[in-house]
Amino acid sequence: KNQVEQSPQSLIILEGKNCTLQCNYTVSPFSNLRWYKQDTGRGPVSLTIMTFSENTKSNGRYTATLDADTKQSSLHITASQLSDSASYICVVSPFFNAGNNRKLIWGLGTSLAVNP
Amino acid sequence: ETGVTQTPRHLVMGMTNKKSLKCEQHLGHNAMYWYKQSAKKPLELMFVYSLEERVENNSVPSRFSPECPNSSHLFLHLHTLQPEDSALYLCASSQVAGGAYEQYFGPGTRLTVT
Repeated sequence: KNQVEQSPQSLIILEGKNCTLQCNYTVSPFSNLRWYKQDTGRGPVSLTIMTFSENTKSNGRYTATLDADTKQSSLHITASQLSDSASYICVVSPFFNAGNNRKLIWGLGTSLAVNP
Repeated sequence: ETGVTQTPRHLVMGMTNKKSLKCEQHLGHNAMYWYKQSAKKPLELMFVYSLEERVENNSVPSRFSPECPNSSHLFLHLHTLQPEDSALYLCASSQVAGGAYEQYFGPGTRLTVT
């Protein structure tokens, strides 16, 4: 069964500190892996998208890594800001030879709180 | 703002009411989606439209009825809902229907069924 599991479930850090969020998946083969940021009461916003052949992708203070062998991804946030407080969701797109697959496999997300 | 708008942002309705959610995308995309987001659960795909044609119905109860009059607009008609249907309903669009394409989300409609 295709699954995406994220850890930790929630995290509290102080402003200015770094943190790393984890994503383990069982989706295989897969087309791409994405990280989304979702502010409370808002829709998800894409941070990074990586194909199976990419190892790392950066977007400002956000850096995502991917290890397709171990089926793990991480999202590293550098010099956190109060505005980073949000849910971070890992999403995997399965790959099927028969054609486009429209159903993404979503994780539950990690709830991050950045305190002053 | 992501280029995808949703109205209303909040909706409270009784189980016997009929209401509609509206989504509009200003990105020139050809695919639109409805998702349901409940507490403690991953996002659930409900419907997918490609060029105004429904291409996926993810076993959604018939009390949810989607409509896509053109590639920029998507509606979700609601009737005789249950309290467990209370959730955040998200609309998204992408250039083409398919998991390989970036999806852009609207802000969502917070639905409460009483």
